[in-house]
Amino acid sequence: DQQVKQNSPSLSVQEGRISILNCDYTNSMFDYFLWYKKYPAEGPTFLISISSIKDKNEDGRFTVFLNKSAKHLSLHIVPSQPGDSAVYFCAASAGAQKLVFGQGTRLTINP
Amino acid sequence: DVKVTQSSRYLVKRTGEKVFLECVQDMDHENMFWYRQDPGLGLRLIYFSYDVKMKEKGDIPEGYSVSREKKERFSLILESASTNQTSMYLCASSPGTSWYDEQFFGPGTRLTVL
Repeated sequence: DQQVKQNSPSLSVQEGRISILNCDYTNSMFDYFLWYKKYPAEGPTFLISISSIKDKNEDGRFTVFLNKSAKHLSLHIVPSQPGDSAVYFCAASAGAQKLVFGQGTRLTINP
Repeated sequence: DVKVTQSSRYLVKRTGEKVFLECVQDMDHENMFWYRQDPGLGLRLIYFSYDVKMKEKGDIPEGYSVSREKKERFSLILESASTNQTSMYLCASSPGTSWYDEQFFGPGTRLTVL
């Protein structure tokens, strides 16, 4: 069973606009969430994280929102840039247990 | 900068062969991990190690084993490769004892089993 789901395999956004990547989870015990970004031929790199005691965390152009009642988190990228084109994975941990990753969403930023 | 290196970028093996995937990290990290990445399934944890000679099963350990004889090196072993083990294999390391710690990934090894 997929405890962390990214239901959009791909997303295309125009440069300068907002990109919104979504992630849903089923395990209410998850208390820490992370986003990783992966370029082709490279390993994933950490992007941003959020604890379940918060509902928002911001780092420059990247903001993660957490809606615990809906078991939903989203990553906002504003403004989107061509270098943001990559695959984005969300991941979750329950009580500092092993990470569970989503399937990934391929983001393409069009000039 | 943390660097995680994997011995091969691409590997082609035949069914039944024994396959070794090597991973080395240069930042004295305690924890090391092996994942496989498959389309539509994301990253799935195969094994992890929190100390030399220590190992723990992840979500999909069947058909795999691991070895950690030195802190910086973590090997993934496919005892008898099968076609369903064709995948991208990613090694990672992290500094602390918490799963909340950022994991640093290597570039991956794309393994094809014929």
